[in-house]
Amino acid sequence: KAGVTQTPRYLIKTRGQQVTLSCSPISGHRSVSWYQQTPGQGLQFLFEYFSETQRNKGNFPGRFSGRQFSNSRSEMNVSTLELGDSALYLCASSLGSVEGRRAFFGQGTRLTVV
Amino acid sequence: AQSVAQPEDQVNVAEGNPLTVKCTYSVSGNPYLFWYVQYPNRGLQFLLKYITGDNLVKGSYGFEAEFNKSQTSFHLKKPSALVSDSALYFCAVRDEDNYGQNFVFGPGTRLSVLP
Repeated sequence: KAGVTQTPRYLIKTRGQQVTLSCSPISGHRSVSWYQQTPGQGLQFLFEYFSETQRNKGNFPGRFSGRQFSNSRSEMNVSTLELGDSALYLCASSLGSVEGRRAFFGQGTRLTVV
Repeated sequence: AQSVAQPEDQVNVAEGNPLTVKCTYSVSGNPYLFWYVQYPNRGLQFLLKYITGDNLVKGSYGFEAEFNKSQTSFHLKKPSALVSDSALYFCAVRDEDNYGQNFVFGPGTRLSVLP
């Protein structure tokens, strides 16, 4: 069974640009969550999608958005990039129907903003 | 609001010795507690979880954790550390009343197992 796949693995963007990251969950998983990991702030929850609907949202500005498609694949978009957006972005998938279920994480996309 | 504390940034232990990585949490309802491990340039890997039931939870790679409700703690333990256990460990919590998969993670503890 394939794991969670995130593309691309590495990305370099310039301030002011926008970026789209992709996440393909494990087959059958309907919940996809996104996290930002930085040395200073640690792991912070961005948002969660379940069956194409945003179910939870963390405390990030509106420049961060996401969506989920009918096949459960998810994309995350960051507009007007800032230097502080440089981070490892992790996607996690879960069956989502029972709340105690574990999340499976992808290897992440490392975004560098210059 | 939910929160997780991992009071030690770094834990050093000799190979073969027991290890403990500490975690305390704060939630308004009953907690769902998890431990994840991160190796360099990798995503997070699940170790174990506590949802309900026995306070001692056994997980992957010989790790276990003890849920202590009165002390609001969920410390990770292993009887005999391996050099390959060296990694970054994260404790995470979610309130059972908080519907969804939005974990609150602790800051992480870097474990170094010395040969």
